[in-house]
Formats: sequence, C-alpha cells, structure tokens
Amino acid sequence: QSVLTQPPSASGTPGQRVTISCSGSSSNIGSNTVNWYQQVPGTAPKLLIHTNSQRPSGVPDRFSGSRSGTSASLAISGLQSEDEADYYCATWDDSLNGCVFGTGTKVSVL
Amino acid sequence: QVQLVESGGGLVKPGGSLRLSCAASGFIFSDSYMNWIRQAPGKGLEWVSYISSSSTYTKYADSVRGRFTISRDNTKNSLYLQMNNLRAEDTAVYYCARDGGGFYPKYYFDSWGQGTLVTVSS
Repeated sequence: QSVLTQPPSASGTPGQRVTISCSGSSSNIGSNTVNWYQQVPGTAPKLLIHTNSQRPSGVPDRFSGSRSGTSASLAISGLQSEDEADYYCATWDDSLNGCVFGTGTKVSVL
Repeated sequence: QVQLVESGGGLVKPGGSLRLSCAASGFIFSDSYMNWIRQAPGKGLEWVSYISSSSTYTKYADSVRGRFTISRDNTKNSLYLQMNNLRAEDTAVYYCARDGGGFYPKYYFDSWGQGTLVTVSS
C-alpha cells in the first residue's frame, strides 16, 4: 500500500532510453526531494539519484532524475545489460511523518 | 570505505523478540543519522525507523511504532533495533542504512549494509 506509484516493469534493448515514473501527492513528492535506488536481485539497494537529480560519485551519467509537481522520473539512456535491476523512488511524506518508497519497477534489457 | 554489517537475525515465534545490531566503520558514526529499512520476501522496500546522531530524535513507521525501538551506541559505532511482539508480517530482510545528510537528515540513504533476515513463524 505504498503512497508512491511506479509501473511494475519497463524494458528496452541495449542502447535505448528507458524512463520510469513515480507518482505521489502534495504531502510527499510535491513538497520534498526525490531519491532513486537501484537493487540488483539478491543484493542491497544502492543510491542512484538523490535530491531529485544529483548523482553520487561513481554513478554513470546515463542515469538522470527529475521532479515536476507531484511526480518524478528516472531516465536511463544508453541502456546496458548491467542495468537489469529493480528501481525504487523514495521521499519523505509530511502527512505520514516518515520516509516512503515507491512500489518498484523491474527493468529488463531485451 | 563505509561499511555497515548487520547481525542478529533469525527465526522467532510470533509474539517473540529479537535484537538486531549494525556495526559501522569507515566514517564518523556519531555524525550521522541512521536508519533501519526492511524488505519482505519478494516485496518492495519499507522504511522502518531513524535515529539522530546523538539519539535525541527517533521516528518510526506506523507499522512498527510501539513494538520496535531504535537505539545507538556511538562509543561502539553500533546501531540497534529491538523488536518486540513480532508478527508474521515482520518477516523481512532488515537493512541498516546511513542518511546522506550528516548532522541534519536529508532522508536519502547513501550506504547500506548487506541485510539480516528475520523470519517470524511458529
């Protein structure tokens, strides 16, 4: 029953661009910054994007994030096989007074 | 480099208790907010709790408030999660994670442990 909604899956061929959406509300995305995590199955999540669009050191610039209103998106350009993973958006929710994660999107490279 | 190592997971009966630990190294532990985040088998991520750098502030998800207690010992560079009155729905891998904001929380998690599995079953 996450308050942040993501598409369950997304896919593309190597080299393509894939975009993942994250839909929220005024109490979360509408008033707080959005972060994105990548989780390869069987491993711990990894911070991919923070503060809407900032990449931590070591994250390729193929990954980019944006926020507009009560929605956010993650784009992966030049898709590579190692990008196959689950991706989660997350932010703070002022109403719930806690951090919330999106439902998660499984990215497949065809 | 930052390292977070969880321990203490295992099998516990419904209504039982368990204490998780997270040993931190590679950074100034006492400068960072810390969190517990869990992931039920085959499910998504769920934030559980955070604690401020000096233990002054704590917050909990509604699903665990009143049953779980987060704490830390900065002299031992360790984070803890005391879990009481456990339920089947608490079954999950529990991760400790560092907040990326330092003295003030930014509510993003820039380092994660490998996780410890808690199974609640009779």
